[in-house]
Amino acid sequence: SQQGEEDPQALSIQEGENATMNCSYKTSINNLQWYRQNSGRGLVHLILIRSNEREKHSGRLRVTLDTSKKSSSLLITASRAADTASYFCARSNFGNEKLTFGTGTRLTIIP
Amino acid sequence: SQTIHQWPATLVQPVGSPLSLECTVEGTSNPNLYWYRQAAGRGLQLLFYSVGIGQISSEVPQNLSASRPQDRQFILSSKKLLLSDSGFYLCAWSVLGGRNEQYFGPGTRLTVT
Repeated sequence: SQQGEEDPQALSIQEGENATMNCSYKTSINNLQWYRQNSGRGLVHLILIRSNEREKHSGRLRVTLDTSKKSSSLLITASRAADTASYFCARSNFGNEKLTFGTGTRLTIIP
Repeated sequence: SQTIHQWPATLVQPVGSPLSLECTVEGTSNPNLYWYRQAAGRGLQLLFYSVGIGQISSEVPQNLSASRPQDRQFILSSKKLLLSDSGFYLCAWSVLGGRNEQYFGPGTRLTVT
């Protein structure tokens, strides 16, 4: 399967701590994206990192990409209760209009 | 700004009944359109995508079909629902030829009884 794996499947941390989620994949990518999904809602695009980039920041989000290891990580700093959600990585391959989503990490922020 | 609509929000249908879920996008032209299904607590499974009117690509063989009768309208259908069709259905769009950032609708929760 080309579907990647996300690690961990679930993560619970105290508010204010940092949360790190990892994503691994198997094929070459054009870019890798992270999405957030609140319970029972649609997904929201968070950040995109191109295959020739190694790190990208957006507010409290930091994404890294290691194409040699075919892995990416999402760091959320100074977590808030509102960050409680599922987070998915999604890979865009060259030459097509599709995304392949990972299995997701369920993040719970404890107030 | 662009907006994506899906309806209905929830649906309970008996086995063997037909299905029609609709998705429309506003504020953009020639979008790529996608239908996904998400089982409880799981990732997204791409069902269909379309790069233009009448152009539908099916990702998995199943009991469902899709149509794109207008540029910004995407419809998911079934003639006879199965119990296994239950799930959370998400429509999304992206810019044709863009970076493939996708923008999702609010989803439809389908329960087949």
